[in-house]
This record gives sequence, C-alpha cells and structure tokens, in this order.
Amino acid sequence: KQEVTQIPAALSVPEGENLVLNCSFTDSAIYNLQWFRQDPGKGLTSLLLIQSSQREQTSGRLNASLDKSSGRSTLYIAASQPGDSATYLCAVIENTDKLIFGTGTRLQVFP
Amino acid sequence: KAGVTQTPRYLIKTRGQQVTLSCSPISGHRSVSWYQQTPGQGLQFLFEYFSETQRNKGNFPGRFSGRQFSNSRSEMNVSTLELGDSALYLCASSSDGTGGEQFFGPGTRLTVL
Repeated sequence: KQEVTQIPAALSVPEGENLVLNCSFTDSAIYNLQWFRQDPGKGLTSLLLIQSSQREQTSGRLNASLDKSSGRSTLYIAASQPGDSATYLCAVIENTDKLIFGTGTRLQVFP
Repeated sequence: KAGVTQTPRYLIKTRGQQVTLSCSPISGHRSVSWYQQTPGQGLQFLFEYFSETQRNKGNFPGRFSGRQFSNSRSEMNVSTLELGDSALYLCASSSDGTGGEQFFGPGTRLTVL
C-alpha cells in the first residue's frame, strides 16, 4: 500500500529564504507526481506536475524534482515571500487518476 | 476557461439525513474524482469517474456513492449522515483520465450536527 510522507510538517522562515520541502513515497510504481498548495479553508491549487519520465519541472520561483528509484520528490522555493504562506501537498498519481496525498508541510513566511 | 465548480459551498445537516454534492469539471474534462479532507485523516480518495463509469473507489462505506452524467458533471451522495462525515469534500477534474494534471474545485464544507 502506497504511503506518502512529507517533511517537515511545519516550517516558519523569514522572507527571502530559499526553501526545500521533501516528499517521499514507498512504492516507486507511480504514473506521475503533483505538487499543490492549499490556503486555509480553500481548495487545492496545482503548482507542478512531474511526469514519471521527467527528473524535474520548473515554474517561476518553484522547482520540483523527482527520483522514482529512491521514492523522493523535492519542491524548491526560491526567494520566499509572505504570499507563499500556505500548506504544500505532494500527491502521487497511481493507476488512472487516483491521487494519494502526503500529510503536507505548513509553511509560514514572515516579513 | 472556467475552473472546477462545486455546489453548494457550505452545508449543515443533522445525523441520519442524506446529502448530495455537485461538481462541474473544467469544460472538456472527462475525468472527475472526489476526495474527503479532515484534520485527522488528511485527504482521502473517495472515487473516480470517467465517461460516466466509476473506475476507482476508495475505502469508504457504501453510504458514500456517486455518479457522473453525460456532460461530465458529477454528484456524490452521502446517506445516513454521521458526525464523522463532517469534512471538506473536494472534487478534481482532468482532461483524459490518464494520470495527467488534476485541477481542484473550492470544495463543499459539510457540517453534520
């Protein structure tokens, strides 16, 4: 049974710092991996999708990497801003469209 | 393009009642999935529909059911509500149901009293 873990569970940093959020999964037989952010009480916003054949994906200040063999993905946030404060979730996509989510990293960036 | 929409946004019910939630996917998307989010269990997969067929089902009791219509809109139904069903119910859509990028709606907040 696939299990997805995110470390750290919470992070509080001053703005301007570069951040690394970690996601690990137990079964490497995944289709793809997707990173989301969730603001309190809101739905999920898609950040990046990494296909299983890719090693990394970039969007603006965000860069996500994927190492299927070791069951790990990393989300790198450059030059963090207070607006980045949210919960970040990674999810592995198994057969068809089923997402299995990690427990999330709650990020607070203070001015 | 309009995003995924969910109605209603908030719902208050009492134990024993039933509830129906609705999800309209992004135009052209054929796959719709449902998730339950609670503080204790996090995000859990309920079921997935593609072209009106349920392709995947999570580990939830039979009180939870769903369907998808020919226009890809989907509904989920929860019968005989329990206090533990209080949660944020999220719907996601993707274009072709082959593991591509998924887009979520704002969710329906269900409170069971």
